[in-house]
Amino acid sequence: SYELTQPPSVSVSPGHTARITCSGDALPTQYAYWYQQKSGQAPVLVIYEDAKRPSGIPERFSGSSSGTVATLTISGAQVEDEADYYCYSTDSSADLWFFGTGTQVSVL
Amino acid sequence: EVQLVEAGGGLVQPGGSLKLSCATSGFIFSAAPMFWVRQAPGKGLEWLGRIRIKTKNYATTYAASIKGRFTISRDDSRNTAFLQMDSLRAEDTALYYCTTSYSFGSVFFDYWGQGTLVTVSS
Repeated sequence: SYELTQPPSVSVSPGHTARITCSGDALPTQYAYWYQQKSGQAPVLVIYEDAKRPSGIPERFSGSSSGTVATLTISGAQVEDEADYYCYSTDSSADLWFFGTGTQVSVL
Repeated sequence: EVQLVEAGGGLVQPGGSLKLSCATSGFIFSAAPMFWVRQAPGKGLEWLGRIRIKTKNYATTYAASIKGRFTISRDDSRNTAFLQMDSLRAEDTALYYCTTSYSFGSVFFDYWGQGTLVTVSS
């Protein structure tokens, strides 16, 4: 089974930059998507197709991908960015989809 | 306003069955693939499967963990998707979300319901 590996936790001071990585063997050929999930809420898409930002998502959220690693960057993190973040992508078959292991981001 | 409303969750005994529904509005349901995702208490997100649209023959794909036990279907006339769950196990206890995502022109749409809780326990 395909795996997308993320660090369990990332801590960042307010106003500083947080980077969350997602490692997967198929990422060189498949897009990465990123979801933010706050406690008790449904996930919200913050990045799609590696680096595109949906309407309404703050510009401080950006994405990139290089080789087998996709990265979500929060530039100038705010307290309200505290949440769990999941990468999401498909395997080489492009038919089965997977979420990453999840990263808890603390802003303090 | 786009809405996805899951229903049908509850308490079921191991080995039992449950059928979840996902009633939608505010977007062209018949043109949107539908997905089911679950989240066990205190755990991460797990993709369960997808059903494509009519022009793709309503093709379905399932995660290995539920293949052969769960069935995804849809009724375009009712703008509703379903998740039939059979042979339920304790490890199927989770919050079940329906979701859709698709591109239309240069815009990417991604919508989620609030989830329905399924508890498998004797």
